[in-house]
Amino acid sequence: TQLLEQSPQFLSIQEGENLTVYCNSSSVFSSLQWYRQEPGEGPVLLVTVVTGGEVKKLKRLTFQFGDARKDSSLHITAAQTGDTGLYLCAGAMDGTSYGKLTFGQGTILTVHP
Amino acid sequence: EAQVTQNPRYLITVTGKKLTVTCSQNMNHEYMSWYRQDPGLGLRQIYYSMNVEVTDKGDVPEGYKVSRKEKRNFPLILESPSPNQTSLYFCASSLYGLTEAFFGQGTRLTVV
Repeated sequence: TQLLEQSPQFLSIQEGENLTVYCNSSSVFSSLQWYRQEPGEGPVLLVTVVTGGEVKKLKRLTFQFGDARKDSSLHITAAQTGDTGLYLCAGAMDGTSYGKLTFGQGTILTVHP
Repeated sequence: EAQVTQNPRYLITVTGKKLTVTCSQNMNHEYMSWYRQDPGLGLRQIYYSMNVEVTDKGDVPEGYKVSRKEKRNFPLILESPSPNQTSLYFCASSLYGLTEAFFGQGTRLTVV
């Protein structure tokens, strides 16, 4: 059972479209991170959110942390082919050992020209 | 250049033959972790270390060992590899446990 459920697992869209990726859990997280991974490389951090209700923007990417700190979303506006990759959410659950990070199963995004 | 270096990048071995995957970071980070990545399962934490000589189990520690004798190095040891340990392995380091994790480029291990 995944503690962090990401949806959708696969997303195939045309350049210029908008999309949202969701990361949900029944557990409360003290912080949540979003990473992007390209083939043959390790994940690279996009953003960290720590406060319930927090919204962070990174150019065309908007990240939101749920009020109850159980869920998060990543919204991409006007997707580009360079956004293609694997998107991973990762969180530290309240009450777990410091440093124990749980990852979702990932969303594979393909943006077609 | 700040980086996490894993070696080897690719490894094919036979069942039962002990192997070590090395991981080194040059950022003076306290925290280091090992993950395995399998299709549809995302990254699963194997072991993590909060500092020298301090290690703890992650979600899937069975069949693996680690050591942290120096701050910069965190090797992953498979004493008796089995085919179900065929996977893509990543080492990561961070300044503290919940700050940005920097990942190595991965080690693709095949156990036959």
